[in-house]
Amino acid sequence: GAVVSQHPSRVICKSGTSVKIECRSLDFQATTMFWYRQFPKQSLMLMATSNEGSKATYEQGVEKDKFLINHASLTLSTLTVTSAHPEDSSFYICSAFWTGRITEAFFGQGTRLTVV
Amino acid sequence: GDSVTQMEGPVTLSEEAFLTINCTYTATGYPSLFWYVQYPGEGLQLLLKATKADDKGSNKGFEATYRKETTSFHLEKGSVQVSDSAVYFCALTYNQGGKLIFGQGTELSVKP
Repeated sequence: GAVVSQHPSRVICKSGTSVKIECRSLDFQATTMFWYRQFPKQSLMLMATSNEGSKATYEQGVEKDKFLINHASLTLSTLTVTSAHPEDSSFYICSAFWTGRITEAFFGQGTRLTVV
Repeated sequence: GDSVTQMEGPVTLSEEAFLTINCTYTATGYPSLFWYVQYPGEGLQLLLKATKADDKGSNKGFEATYRKETTSFHLEKGSVQVSDSAVYFCALTYNQGGKLIFGQGTELSVKP
């Protein structure tokens, strides 16, 4: 099956700094990728839809200037958490939508962000 | 709007017990339905899916049937194993770009 790689898997940063998370589709091209956030013991909430070559579409309540998304190529989307605060600590997961032989969303392994 | 509701966890079972995790949905159209599994510290993996009413998805001993009349997609397994311990998410999509709407997740713990 298709593979989505997310990096880093775990990161600790200081308040006020920025952190970049990468999401790569390793063996297929993904014109659309999605970024989700998961709070402890809760579901995944869609943050934004990342479209290759255009601006991301953010869900209501998600701060565009805080969560910068760039989808510069068909295999890479990045999420940058700017001026991170402890309340941004969470599990962030990306997915890439594959419209190949089967139509399915494949997920990265997630990034555990801790802001101290 | 569209939504997915799962039974609350955690669910704790003994090995070889029967498992049911309830999932109901609210949808304006005719979505595809999914069950995803998340093992500790990992991302989500697709467990099974059904794309239309009365379809049954199955994988690794798990089954779920798309019931349009009851708007449900309950997950079942006849005999759970310790290795099935994970969080299970029910989700729907209209396949329009792959945007998924998830239920809140149900944690399953299987004891030896």
